[in-house]
Amino acid sequence: QVQLKESGPGLVAPSQSLSITCTVSGFSLTSYGVHWVRQPPGKGLEWLGVIWAGGSTNYNSALMSRLSISKDNSKSQVFLKMNSLQTDDTAMYYCARDPTGTRYFDVWGAGTTVTVSS
Amino acid sequence: DVLMTQTPLSLPVSLGDQASISCRSSQSIVHSNGNTYLEWYLQKPGQSPKLLIYKVSNRFSGVPDRFSGSGSGTAFTLRISRVEAEDVGVYYCMQHLEYPLTFGAGTKLELK
Repeated sequence: QVQLKESGPGLVAPSQSLSITCTVSGFSLTSYGVHWVRQPPGKGLEWLGVIWAGGSTNYNSALMSRLSISKDNSKSQVFLKMNSLQTDDTAMYYCARDPTGTRYFDVWGAGTTVTVSS
Repeated sequence: DVLMTQTPLSLPVSLGDQASISCRSSQSIVHSNGNTYLEWYLQKPGQSPKLLIYKVSNRFSGVPDRFSGSGSGTAFTLRISRVEAEDVGVYYCMQHLEYPLTFGAGTKLELK
């Protein structure tokens, strides 16, 4: 069964950094891309970036200076790191699978909530 | 960035009604390969989004045939032929042509 599961710290202090892990099962990261999408409370969806099967990445230019996506294929994990968090980074953070060449997100994780607050 | 504009933002419907959601992109989202990378996702209350339609009009696996997508160039439509209670939620269009990938603001479908 294909699954993605996000895990994160829950609460982050302003100006600190965020690290979230997306652990996947039922497929190999060497064959699929994984995207990150976030959703502030009560608001819409914002694409953050993607890491492809081969390890290359693309980022939302609005966040690129603060964002880093990496992965460990052997552990089936994708990592999102974001620096200098502010209150408007408070959101649900999702990872989603992208079958290479299809250009859609076929499976999403349940998301992990991140609150930026002192 | 490609701006995706959805209308309406709120759509009250009765069970069995037809529902229609419009999505317009600020520029063409047709790839040089001829494909148009426009998707529709449904986010039910308390859940993560789920794929309904890809490349404008292709229903994803398991999606009921009461859902259909159409359009071309910069104007796209999602139609639900006979709304059921399980269709309640927020519908998002998304362009998958160029970075950053961008979503519409969402259309909240609710029952009257």
